[in-house]
Amino acid sequence: GNSVTQMEGPVTLSEEAFLTINCTYTATGYPSLFWYVQYPGEGLQLLLKATKADDKGSNKGFEATYRKETTSFHLEKGSVQVSDSAVYFCALAGRPNDYKLSFGAGTTVTVRA
Amino acid sequence: DARVTQTPRHKVTEMGQEVTMRCQPILGHNTVFWYRQTMMQGLELLAYFRNRAPLDDSGMPKDRFSAEMPDATLATLKIQPSEPRDSAVYFCASGRTEGEWTEAFFGQGTRLTVV
Repeated sequence: GNSVTQMEGPVTLSEEAFLTINCTYTATGYPSLFWYVQYPGEGLQLLLKATKADDKGSNKGFEATYRKETTSFHLEKGSVQVSDSAVYFCALAGRPNDYKLSFGAGTTVTVRA
Repeated sequence: DARVTQTPRHKVTEMGQEVTMRCQPILGHNTVFWYRQTMMQGLELLAYFRNRAPLDDSGMPKDRFSAEMPDATLATLKIQPSEPRDSAVYFCASGRTEGEWTEAFFGQGTRLTVV
């Protein structure tokens, strides 16, 4: 079945540091890939997505590239802010006609001023 | 601003009681998910529906949990009888799927505490 493995946390960084969260996946076919973010006390929000190989999703300074050859979708941000402190989830939706969203375990990121 | 609405936001109940959680998906969305989030297990998919038909409820304990979509504007998750191990945050999410996934929008969750 489909599954996602992401880097375990927690991750603690200083403001303006570079952030990478690794995510690899196992899936049949060509899944769509997502990064979701969860702020304290809230539901998950879509951060970015990519639907085919070599696509790059980007939003709010975050980027991730769909790498089919390495089955990866690593999240990066060049200069984090305190407001980026949250839990980040990698997810995939299988295709075709498999709409179930499978999530990784989540990575807690804390950014210190 | 379209959003997924979940009620109640918080629920404290005694062991053995029935609990019903409700979700109003975004208008026009045809796919609805129920997830449970705990510190130990992370996000677990309990059930999901597409065009109101249940497609997968393998993640749900069948003896006590049930999920339904009586109409396109309402999804319910019931636990009867509830147990302390059911304490968690329950999220509903909805999205539109027509061949391709677009995006799943999550509600703010129902925090359930069973004492």
